[in-house]
Amino acid sequence: SYELTQPPSVSVSPGQTATITCSGDALPKKSAFWYQQKSGQAPVLVIYDDSKRPSGIPERFSGSRSGTMATLTISGAQVEDEADYYCYSTDSSGNLWVFGGGTKLTVL
Amino acid sequence: EVQLSQSGPEVKKPGESLKISCKGSGYIFTDYWIGWVRQMPGKGLEWMGIIYPGDSDTTYSPSFQGQVTISADKSTSTAYLQWSGLKASDTAMYYCARTGIAGSLSYWGQGTLVTVSS
Repeated sequence: SYELTQPPSVSVSPGQTATITCSGDALPKKSAFWYQQKSGQAPVLVIYDDSKRPSGIPERFSGSRSGTMATLTISGAQVEDEADYYCYSTDSSGNLWVFGGGTKLTVL
Repeated sequence: EVQLSQSGPEVKKPGESLKISCKGSGYIFTDYWIGWVRQMPGKGLEWMGIIYPGDSDTTYSPSFQGQVTISADKSTSTAYLQWSGLKASDTAMYYCARTGIAGSLSYWGQGTLVTVSS
C-alpha cells in the first residue's frame, strides 16, 4: 500500500524557520495537503494543493512540492504553532488517500 | 455554516457491534464526499475510507476493507461507520470529515471516542 514518510519530530526556537518534509512515490504527479493537529483537537487544514493557504491561516505557513517530496515551511515559528503536522495525498490511482506518519513540531 | 456533528463516546466489549454517526448541516449533504479517519491513542491519523452520499459510492483503504462498513442516509444527512465485531485494537478516536477545497478534508467533526475493553 502507498506510504508518505515524514520525520517524527522537528524542533526550533521561536522566530526560527521550521521545515517539515513528506516523501512519497506519487508526489511527482499528485498534490500534497498539510494538516495541523493540536493536542486534543481535530485536525485543521493549513495548506492545500501543495502551496495554497485556506483563509484564516497565517502567512508564515507555506508549502512546496518538488519531485517525490513535499515541504511545509513555517517562517518565524511561534509557540502556538507547536503541534503535530500531517501531510496528506493520494496514490497514483487517485482513489486511495493516505496521511503521513506525522511530525511533532516543538517550538521552544 | 458547515457543521459535522458526531455521536457521543462509546464503551463496548470485544465482539459487540457498533454504529457511530456523523450528521452534516449547513450544506447540501449529497454534494460532498465524507471520509472517516482513525486516530489510535497517541498515534497518527489513518484514512479509513470515503463515501459520496449522492450515490453511496464508497472507497475503503485496504487496511480497513472488510473490517468496517461506511454508509450514508440522505434523508437524515447522516454518515455512519459500523463494526460487526469489535476488537480491543479498535479503541481509538474516530473523525468524520467533509471534502472541500481541492478535494481535501476541509471540515471535521469533533470526533467520537470508541473504547473496547472487556
